[in-house]
Amino acid sequence: GAGVSQSPSNKVTEKGKDVELRCDPISGHTALYWYRQSLGQGLEFLIYFQGNSAPDKSGLPSDRFSAERTGGSVSTLTIQRTQQEDSAVYLCASSPQSREAAFFGQGTRLTVV
Amino acid sequence: AQSVTQLGSHVSVSEGALVLLRCNYSSSVPPYLFWYVQYPNQGLQLLLKYTTGATLVKGINGFEAEFKKSETSFHLTKPSAHMSDAAEYFCAVSVGSGTYKYIFGTGTRLKVLA
Repeated sequence: GAGVSQSPSNKVTEKGKDVELRCDPISGHTALYWYRQSLGQGLEFLIYFQGNSAPDKSGLPSDRFSAERTGGSVSTLTIQRTQQEDSAVYLCASSPQSREAAFFGQGTRLTVV
Repeated sequence: AQSVTQLGSHVSVSEGALVLLRCNYSSSVPPYLFWYVQYPNQGLQLLLKYTTGATLVKGINGFEAEFKKSETSFHLTKPSAHMSDAAEYFCAVSVGSGTYKYIFGTGTRLKVLA
């Protein structure tokens, strides 16, 4: 596609439920990133995929968070047993290769009630 | 450890005045540096980037930034602010060895006064 696409754009879920957030990167981009942006905060790195290499998961805040990237393209971020503190905007980005400028999607606004 | 510091979470300027948004970085290896802009309820849009070569880089919408290694700075400037420049601006550094990720500053919200 023309840009990074994220779905859904908004998600309201009950505390304790699982959620899946989807990211469709720009075609041909080998690097894919997930970030979290909380109100009044900067961007918190979550996870990074580069080609067929093992992902850098060093930013995942707990074992309730996981992500996968299938076929080197679409990625899904899963949050299990959601908590209120998980409420944030989750941003996905992709880049042609490592260290090149990243292109961001519009984000998924997650609200846990 | 690599990090980015943006001085001033909020900056106000008058329309037509100089815009200066400050960014300092810490990196043990030559950095790749970026400025992004975020308009309300939107994702981040790349303004400009520094990788290697010329230390003064020009970006979109009349913005530019200068990489100063001796000062570990990458400040963003625009000679004349426009109302449409009101947004949040993020400085970022690309770090890693083999695998890379972006470390972002906490952002500076720019307000432009009529």
